[in-house]
Amino acid sequence: DGGITQSPKYLFRKEGQNVTLSCEQNLNHDAMYWYRQDPGQGLRLIYYSQIVNDFQKGDIAEGYSVSREKKESFPLTVTSAQKNPTAFYLCASSSGGWPEAFFGQGTRLTVV
Amino acid sequence: AQSVAQPEDQVNVAEGNPLTVKCTYSVSGNPYLFWYVQYPNRGLQFLLKYITGDNLVKGSYGFEAEFNKSQTSFHLKKPSALVSDSALYFCAVRVSSGNTPLVFGKGTRLSVIA
Repeated sequence: DGGITQSPKYLFRKEGQNVTLSCEQNLNHDAMYWYRQDPGQGLRLIYYSQIVNDFQKGDIAEGYSVSREKKESFPLTVTSAQKNPTAFYLCASSSGGWPEAFFGQGTRLTVV
Repeated sequence: AQSVAQPEDQVNVAEGNPLTVKCTYSVSGNPYLFWYVQYPNRGLQFLLKYITGDNLVKGSYGFEAEFNKSQTSFHLKKPSALVSDSALYFCAVRVSSGNTPLVFGKGTRLSVIA
């Protein structure tokens, strides 16, 4: 089946640790995105990549890092510099031929 | 800069009644507009989009939306609500040129009461 796979579904992090969230797509989409969802705040853009080996900061990039070494993969690292990382993280992808974005099922990150 | 406003945090409607979820937008240039739905602890599911052409767009599960350029609105509608429509709804916008990110509103929680 074609789609976007995010893993893990639930993730627990101790304060001071870095964690990496996985996002893989087999839709052959050029662009990929990471959003953060908090209650009452909608979706906020963290990073996006329109092509392999290139990415841009979104509105809330501080404390996060990404890489785009392969077209199908766009991992997100939540670093210890992110002061309030507890949130629901959503990965999405899109292509030039389809203006809508397709979303994965999300990863819920909790700091313990 | 692009932005989306969903003025209602919560909309309550009785089952069988029509529903409307409001959305207004701001964008430089021609907009692409979208509605998504989210169920608890799930990703966003695409409902419908406006690209160009007919101002009334029909989408999944009986939903439709009306694009109004003069009012910069894109309200989501359904003639007869179902309890299963209860969910979180997001409106989104992007400019029509390039593969740019979607900008989302804060979401509206729809509760359909039996």
